[in-house]
Amino acid sequence: GAVVSQHPSRVICKSGTSVKIECRSLDFQATTMFWYRQFPKKSLMLMATSNEGSKATYEQGVEKDKFLINHASLTLSTLTVTSAHPEDSSFYICSAQLGGVGETQYFGPGTRLLVL
Amino acid sequence: QQPVQSPQAVILREGEDAVINCSSSKALYSVHWYRQKHGEAPVFLMILLKGGEQKGHEKISASFNEKKQQSSLYLTASQLSYSGTYFCGTVFMDSNYQLIWGAGTKLIIKP
Repeated sequence: GAVVSQHPSRVICKSGTSVKIECRSLDFQATTMFWYRQFPKKSLMLMATSNEGSKATYEQGVEKDKFLINHASLTLSTLTVTSAHPEDSSFYICSAQLGGVGETQYFGPGTRLLVL
Repeated sequence: QQPVQSPQAVILREGEDAVINCSSSKALYSVHWYRQKHGEAPVFLMILLKGGEQKGHEKISASFNEKKQQSSLYLTASQLSYSGTYFCGTVFMDSNYQLIWGAGTKLIIKP
């Protein structure tokens, strides 16, 4: 149980285009999902916390207009990287929280984004 | 507020033991341990919530000290599959329950 999927797993796009990444909890309902960004050999950097039916809470320094998050249902959250640039290239990982606040987060397999 | 993980990296031979530590300057609500292999997302290992708690199994276990400021992950008789980067994620009592990640400990197991 507690499986989280992400789609796509890998995407290459041209600079200036937008990319949407989906995160789904497959066998449980997640009221809270998290979006992380990870640079090579670095720890995970929380970008935003996404709660179903409400606006996402962004971490300091993360541009909300650049990284649009929509948490449409208890099993789906999407991250859209708008007008992507090469510096947005990274490994994006979502997680879904099982249980109450502070409880276990289960991670999706990640999406590797390369912006040319 | 980032927890301090130590060591940064460790190289072992198959069958040897390892201990990875995670320390916080403030009391924690919980500690989460994850393992991440190169190019993959982190995989949940275990969560500790109670001071003095020990959990896991014979090969991989973890402890949480009474003050809830320090946790250790124990890898016993390591196997090649244990290789990866281990992260502790901490949740503070006075926070909005976000996970704050340590910098990670890279574990390399050699045959």
